[in-house]
Amino acid sequence: EVQLVESGGGLVQPGGSLRLSCVASGFTFSSYRMTWVRQAPGKGLEWVANIKQDGGDIYYVDSVKGRFSISRDNAKNSLYLQMNSLRAEDTAVYYCARVEMGELRFWGQGTLVTVSS
Amino acid sequence: EIVLTQSPGTLSLSPGERATLSCRASQSVSSSYLAWYQQKPGQAPRLLIYGASSRATGIPDRFSGSGSGTDFTLTISRLEPEDFAVYYCQQRSNWPPTFGGGTKVEIK
Repeated sequence: EVQLVESGGGLVQPGGSLRLSCVASGFTFSSYRMTWVRQAPGKGLEWVANIKQDGGDIYYVDSVKGRFSISRDNAKNSLYLQMNSLRAEDTAVYYCARVEMGELRFWGQGTLVTVSS
Repeated sequence: EIVLTQSPGTLSLSPGERATLSCRASQSVSSSYLAWYQQKPGQAPRLLIYGASSRATGIPDRFSGSGSGTDFTLTISRLEPEDFAVYYCQQRSNWPPTFGGGTKVEIK
């Protein structure tokens, strides 16, 4: 069974840092491009970052460039999102998703990040 | 950045009725790169339609997508109780991929 399990969310003060993890199982993780998508409470979806199978071809949405860093460890079947200089507007549920033929065909259940003093 | 505008914001219908959801893009989107997702409360989104009109694996044929250029439509031919949810269109024709603001389909 394909599974994506996010962790690492929580409450952090503005300006702080968090590292999100997404552990994959049930498929060959190293064969898939992965992405992070977020959803602010009661709001719509925002594509945050992409990473290719080999860790290359990394792209970020402008709102997180220079503050967030996506990475992966194929030996550990894990995807990461290092988030620095966090702002209130980064408050959201963060989902990791598997990309197949460009589409987000499988999603984790998400982890909530709350940025507040 | 391509802005996707979905309408209506909320659609109030009864089970068995037909639902027509609209997604309009601020510039032309390749049909190959237009998708629709369904999201229920407390759950992650689920891919319904890709390539504007192709159903994802396991999606019932009451869901259909159409359109091209800047105007796309998701149609649910006969609403089932499990179809009441929020629907998002999404483009990946240009970076960054963007989502519409969503249409909530609620029980009338």
